[in-house]
Amino acid sequence: EAQLVESGGGLVKPGGSLRLSCAASGFAFSSYPMNWVRQAPGKGLEWVSHITSSSRTIYYADSVKGRFTISRDNAKNSLFLQMNSLRAEDTAVYYCARDGSGYGDAFDLWGRGTMATVSS
Amino acid sequence: QSVLTQPPSASGTPGQRVTISCSGSNSNIGGNDVHWYQHLPGTAPKLLIYSNNQRPSGVPHRFSGSKSGSSASLAISGLQSGDEADYYCATWDNSLHGLYVFGTGTKVTVL
Repeated sequence: EAQLVESGGGLVKPGGSLRLSCAASGFAFSSYPMNWVRQAPGKGLEWVSHITSSSRTIYYADSVKGRFTISRDNAKNSLFLQMNSLRAEDTAVYYCARDGSGYGDAFDLWGRGTMATVSS
Repeated sequence: QSVLTQPPSASGTPGQRVTISCSGSNSNIGGNDVHWYQHLPGTAPKLLIYSNNQRPSGVPHRFSGSKSGSSASLAISGLQSGDEADYYCATWDNSLHGLYVFGTGTKVTVL
């Protein structure tokens, strides 16, 4: 069964850093573009970043550009999000999501998320 | 602040039909496919409708999607208690390079 499991969330002070990981299993991870999506407390879903299967093309939301870095290790079936210069407004549950093959550009597989809290 | 506008809430009694609108512009919905996601807080979001009106396998026929111009809608017929969740439309926006946008979200309540 295809699965995504996020990890690496926690409590960090403003200005600090966190590195989130997403472990993929049950499918050919190296063939799929991947994304990070977040949901702040009481707010809706917000797309954060996208990376193609080969890592050749990467996009970021304006709200995280210059502070967050998405990357992947296809040999280890893993997706990462390095978050630097964190702000209180980055507090959210972070989900990794797969660009589904055969589903247009929809996200057909999601993890359950990992919580990142930025607070002093 | 999302560029896709949805009503904050919708409700109905069991068996009724509920419709959720998603309003955008030519740079997003007008030029790209729309997808819909169902989300229960604390769980993984679920793809409900892709490419405007297509259902992934396993999604009941009670869920249907449509798109016209720069607007889209999701309809839930035969409403069930298990449909109580947050629903989001989503698409790419061509006005900002590489930006994927979600709607503001609609909370569906089964009365």
